[in-house]
Amino acid sequence: DTGVSQDPRHKITKRGQNVTFRCDPISEHNRLYWYRQTLGQGPEFLTYFQNEAQLEKSRLLSDRFSAERPKGSFSTLEIQRTEQGDSAMYLCASSFWNPGRGGSPLHFGNGTRLTVT
Amino acid sequence: SQQGEEDPQALSIQEGENATMNCSYKTSINNLQWYRQNSGRGLVHLILIRSNEREKHSGRLRVTLDTSKKSSSLLITASRAADTASYFCATDFAIAGGGADGLTFGKGTHLIIQP
Repeated sequence: DTGVSQDPRHKITKRGQNVTFRCDPISEHNRLYWYRQTLGQGPEFLTYFQNEAQLEKSRLLSDRFSAERPKGSFSTLEIQRTEQGDSAMYLCASSFWNPGRGGSPLHFGNGTRLTVT
Repeated sequence: SQQGEEDPQALSIQEGENATMNCSYKTSINNLQWYRQNSGRGLVHLILIRSNEREKHSGRLRVTLDTSKKSSSLLITASRAADTASYFCATDFAIAGGGADGLTFGKGTHLIIQP
């Protein structure tokens, strides 16, 4: 399977705990995105990387959220001191961005569903 | 914040009928994309239409774009039970690093195809 994979698929944690999610993008893709989706809503952009550089992080929901992509391959999203309001589906997507070609489709993983009790 | 807004929020039709979903957005775009999401799964890209295009087809899908009205529509012809899903429009926005690859999604239209 050469699609975007996310791990774990489900995570249940207690309020105040830290959680970390992993995303493995399609190997040829140079851009990686994190989105959050709550019930009945569309995905909400959080941050993205081009190769290993995090070029946009102003839309991260709070300073409890951080993301890394240390070698330009897989990425991790960490939420510290989780709150019940963090319960959501966290989606990762990747794409190949070519400056001469403009917009390109995003390929999404199946997400990590977080439940904070 | 979500720029795109789909209409209707929910749509239920009989198998074989055509389904039309609309999307309105607020600011200028370079392209507009439609995605499909089955329950509990990630989104799957359906079609991309650029701002200089007015209509695009892909199989049973037809997308139109009216930049003067800032709106788009997705038509699914000859619907099948397997088309039951949520459909989202997404518009690009400028992000650091160049290009317009960041996408803002609407709330989606939940489509139910009754067999």
